[in-house]
Amino acid sequence: DAGVIQSPRHEVTEMGQEVTLRCKPISGHNSLFWYRQTMMRGLELLIYFNNNVPIDDSGMPEDRFSAKMPNASFSTLKIQPSEPRDSAVYFCASSLTGLLYNEQFFGPGTRLTVL
Amino acid sequence: SQQGEEDPQALSIQEGENATMNCSYKTSINNLQWYRQNSGRGLVHLILIRSNEREKHSGRLRVTLDTSKKSSSLLITASRAADTASYFCATDGGDSGTYKYIFGTGTRLKVLA
Repeated sequence: DAGVIQSPRHEVTEMGQEVTLRCKPISGHNSLFWYRQTMMRGLELLIYFNNNVPIDDSGMPEDRFSAKMPNASFSTLKIQPSEPRDSAVYFCASSLTGLLYNEQFFGPGTRLTVL
Repeated sequence: SQQGEEDPQALSIQEGENATMNCSYKTSINNLQWYRQNSGRGLVHLILIRSNEREKHSGRLRVTLDTSKKSSSLLITASRAADTASYFCATDGGDSGTYKYIFGTGTRLKVLA
């Protein structure tokens, strides 16, 4: 398996533009997580899905952020409109969750810069 | 917040020495995990320890858990330059139905060759 795939790896955009980050989880995994990492705030959980259903979006900072998981092999995180303070590395992770399995597999991240 | 906090924030040691990192958390847990992050990369899972376990080993890694003190430690023995990375603990909410983990602030380890 190729692991968790994220695209793009780098994104530079101007304030006010829409940004869409994409994630393909590991085949067979039933949970997907979106994180944001900055020097100031560390690694923050934004939202997680279980069986394609959003379970907890309490970490989504504002209405400008939205996430979807239309099927088991694809998820998007959208920021509209983007602001400079959204600049961060965004990670997607997937997991086969259950009583015994909770290891999360992280993608390489998308480094977002909003000018 | 149940966020874990690692201590120290940064650690610099010589190759061959042991490195110890600590994690404290605030609420009860089902299990605790440790992850490594190399610069510019995603996190990689190292080890998971359950709340009913006190110690666990994996290769050069040794993890301890003290639920009474709400703390865990990660020991890397005979460190190598390749161990240079940031190390994070992650705790769950203690509820059996959630798979949400909160990551700590991390310890930046530098192993000097």
